[in-house]
Amino acid sequence: EPEVTQTPSHQVTQMGQEVILRCVPISNHLYFYWYRQILGQKVEFLVSFYNNEISEKSEIFDDQFSVERPDGSNFTLKIRSTKLEDSAMYFCASTSGNYTDTQYFGPGTRLTVL
Amino acid sequence: AQSVTQPDIHITVSEGASLELRCNYSYGATPYLFWYVQSPGQGLQLLLKYFSGDTLVQGIKGFEAEFKRSQSSFNLRKPSVHWSDAAEYFCAVGALPMNRDDKIIFGKGTRLHILP
Repeated sequence: EPEVTQTPSHQVTQMGQEVILRCVPISNHLYFYWYRQILGQKVEFLVSFYNNEISEKSEIFDDQFSVERPDGSNFTLKIRSTKLEDSAMYFCASTSGNYTDTQYFGPGTRLTVL
Repeated sequence: AQSVTQPDIHITVSEGASLELRCNYSYGATPYLFWYVQSPGQGLQLLLKYFSGDTLVQGIKGFEAEFKRSQSSFNLRKPSVHWSDAAEYFCAVGALPMNRDDKIIFGKGTRLHILP
């Protein structure tokens, strides 16, 4: 069964450094998302992406964040200058956009900012 | 405003006992409802989903959920829990069709503890 994959599974970085989290959505999917989950809290929407542009972003997704689909398979989330409070689990998701298709989530990348 | 409420932060049940996890939602459009399970340090696994039809939906691992429109509820149930069911459970709501800017909104989760 096709699945969303994410790399790395765990990323440790120093405050102020740039990080890129990578996702490979399911191959025929057209809509892509990033969510994050701070430890012990609920999963929160960050951004949705379709047709090579952002469809919607939350207030969390400020100028430090960006997303890109650099080729036909990868979907990346970049945090330009990480802060301590960016430490969280980041989930990528994708969907085909068919009427009843759900969003399929990847296993997540745990980002730790020191 | 769109929201999902899971009133129980923690629930403890004995192995073999029945389980019900509560979920209420507030959503302006036709809701597309989900339950996800997350084991410690793991990703989100979809247990079941509902968007129309029979209001009692069956999912994986022996779970089921009942949609009650009048109560805006989508409670998760299992007749007999196993120790391996110990995890965090998230109720979530989205829109149909699931596309473009239709994000999924999650509840805060209920952590399930199982007593031997």
